[in-house]
Amino acid sequence: QSVLTQPPSASGTPGQMVTISCSGNSSNIGNDYVYWYQQLPGTAPKLLIYRNNQRPSGVPDRFSGSKSGASASLAISGLRSEDEADYYCAGWDDSLSGWVFGGGTKLTVL
Amino acid sequence: VQLVESGGELVQPGGSLRLSCVASGFTFSSYWMHWVRQAPGKGLVWVSRLNSDGRIITYAESVKGRFTISRDNAKNTLYLQMDSLRAEDTAVYYCVRSVEGYLDVWGRGTTVTVSS
Repeated sequence: QSVLTQPPSASGTPGQMVTISCSGNSSNIGNDYVYWYQQLPGTAPKLLIYRNNQRPSGVPDRFSGSKSGASASLAISGLRSEDEADYYCAGWDDSLSGWVFGGGTKLTVL
Repeated sequence: VQLVESGGELVQPGGSLRLSCVASGFTFSSYWMHWVRQAPGKGLVWVSRLNSDGRIITYAESVKGRFTISRDNAKNTLYLQMDSLRAEDTAVYYCVRSVEGYLDVWGRGTTVTVSS
């Protein structure tokens, strides 16, 4: 059981927009930033969004993040086949004194 | 910027293993470092962290008392000493750098399998 809650799966067709939700509480993303990581099949996770809505250099602007209270969302517009991956939300948890992750959302591009 | 883990292998329950992570391309001694693991087919789980000089250390409850994180800044290397290993410790272990409070650069991981 992950501390942050994500839907296990999401899907869309090429060109569509898909959103992935992440829910936490006041000990984690409710009072701190949320981060998003992309894990392509067979590879290590990669930072996708930091501090709620910031993109590291090299991440396409098709990826965007938002947060309201203890809920966050990752939006992917103009869906491409190469976006097929697992997506994880994450944040620091004050009560656990450690990083917590969502269970991951497997995105399928139909 | 690169992180390369090593040391993962098959070990029996109750055994020990030491993982290493060699950093390059950045000033290793200036950054907090973490270990994050991922069991087969499962999600990411944070394991431990330590600050730039190794004096501030935090562990996940699941590994507290069994795992020890450390670093050698002269060798640009992060370590994870794992004792009293259990089947549930089977996972890919990632070495991760953090900057300004968040996890930014991940290594490719090293696989630990605990089985008899």
